[in-house]
Amino acid sequence: EAGVTQFPSHSVIEKGQTVTLRCDPISGHDNLYWYRRVMGKEIKFLLHFVKESKQDESGMPNNRFLAERTGGTYSTLKVQPAELEDSGVYFCASSPKKQTAGNTEAFFGQGTRLTVV
Amino acid sequence: QKEVEQDPGPLSVPEGAIVSLNCTYSNSAFQYFMWYRQYSRKGPELLMYTYSSGNKEDGRFTAQVDKSSKYISLFIRDSQPSDSATYLCAMSNYGGSQGNLIFGKGTKLSVKP
Repeated sequence: EAGVTQFPSHSVIEKGQTVTLRCDPISGHDNLYWYRRVMGKEIKFLLHFVKESKQDESGMPNNRFLAERTGGTYSTLKVQPAELEDSGVYFCASSPKKQTAGNTEAFFGQGTRLTVV
Repeated sequence: QKEVEQDPGPLSVPEGAIVSLNCTYSNSAFQYFMWYRQYSRKGPELLMYTYSSGNKEDGRFTAQVDKSSKYISLFIRDSQPSDSATYLCAMSNYGGSQGNLIFGKGTKLSVKP
């Protein structure tokens, strides 16, 4: 079974440009999360989709960030226009729908390393 | 005060040593406590998961949660060079599904042969 896949693995863009990151979750996983790690800081939650709906977007830094999950399958995270402080590693994770009480493990992708110059 | 504090290390130990990794937290609402392992250029992978207080053992790994002290630990027995990685603690107050995880900075561990 394929894991969580993220594209591209690395992106270098100039300040002011637009970048779109893509995440393909594990097939059948309703929950999809975006996280970000800025250099020297901890991994921070950005937002959570349940299927195509945004369940929690409290971690989105500002309106330059737009996440979509049309059809409830893959998700994109667009940064427009990119700023220097947006540099970091963006992780996507997915987990199955909670069936009963207990944990549903979140599986992480390898991340997209974004560098804004 | 950060919600989760974790010493970033680096921590270097000889092969076979017992490793102790720790995190403290401030939010008493946290109920789910996780340890993730992250190899270089890879995503975090779930190593151990504990609900509320208590111990959990899985092979060479033991996770402990002390909610009264807001302190969690991960012990690695008979450490191996393959255990060299960054270990991240993470916490959540969501029931069941791992939604909004709060991570520590991670501790970089190196196990020398």
